[in-house]
Amino acid sequence: DVKVTQSSRYLVKRTGEKVFLECVQDMDHENMFWYRQDPGLGLRLIYFSYDVKMKEKGDIPEGYSVSREKKERFSLILESASTNQTSMYLCASSAPVELTDTQYFGPGTRLTVL
Amino acid sequence: SQKIEQNSEALNIQEGKTATLTCNYTNYSPAYLQWYRQDPGRGPVFLLLIRENEKEKRKERLKVTFDTTLKQSLFHITASQPADSATYLCALASGGGNKLTFGTGTQLKVEL
Repeated sequence: DVKVTQSSRYLVKRTGEKVFLECVQDMDHENMFWYRQDPGLGLRLIYFSYDVKMKEKGDIPEGYSVSREKKERFSLILESASTNQTSMYLCASSAPVELTDTQYFGPGTRLTVL
Repeated sequence: SQKIEQNSEALNIQEGKTATLTCNYTNYSPAYLQWYRQDPGRGPVFLLLIRENEKEKRKERLKVTFDTTLKQSLFHITASQPADSATYLCALASGGGNKLTFGTGTQLKVEL
């Protein structure tokens, strides 16, 4: 079974802090994704990566950056956290070889920015 | 622009009945459509995929239909149980590059 883990389930940070959210997958998947999920807005794609050191902006990249130095690890960085970044953050991975884009999600990190 | 619509109102049904959830889309020509289940505070979990040339797909008590003319997929859970209570999301491939766009989901509550 694919396993996607995220570094924290709950996180509380202060405005202006730099925040790192880490995601690790154990199935050698090429693709990795970061979403945020807010009530009524659904899942919105922040960034995704097709390969090590490759990244592309999703629909809402402003205020975020990402890093993918190893295939299994994809980090989301909030350079200067703001209260409007309080949200549930979900990481996912998928394998292009499957040709179906099925994504496997981590458990999520509930981030609160005070 | 591309849009996926799912009923935002929660669906409440009695145990044992069939639940039917709807996913409508516009400005897509998807090769396939996926359904996911999400429990509160957890990440979505893949359930079923149906391809454009398949009218219907089944997996245990789950059934999905896909009508590319109507641009609609229906997701059915037969003999529903309280354990089926969750939010169900549909998703379509978008923009290439293995990306998916998700609907906002419909919450299903199965009552005793």
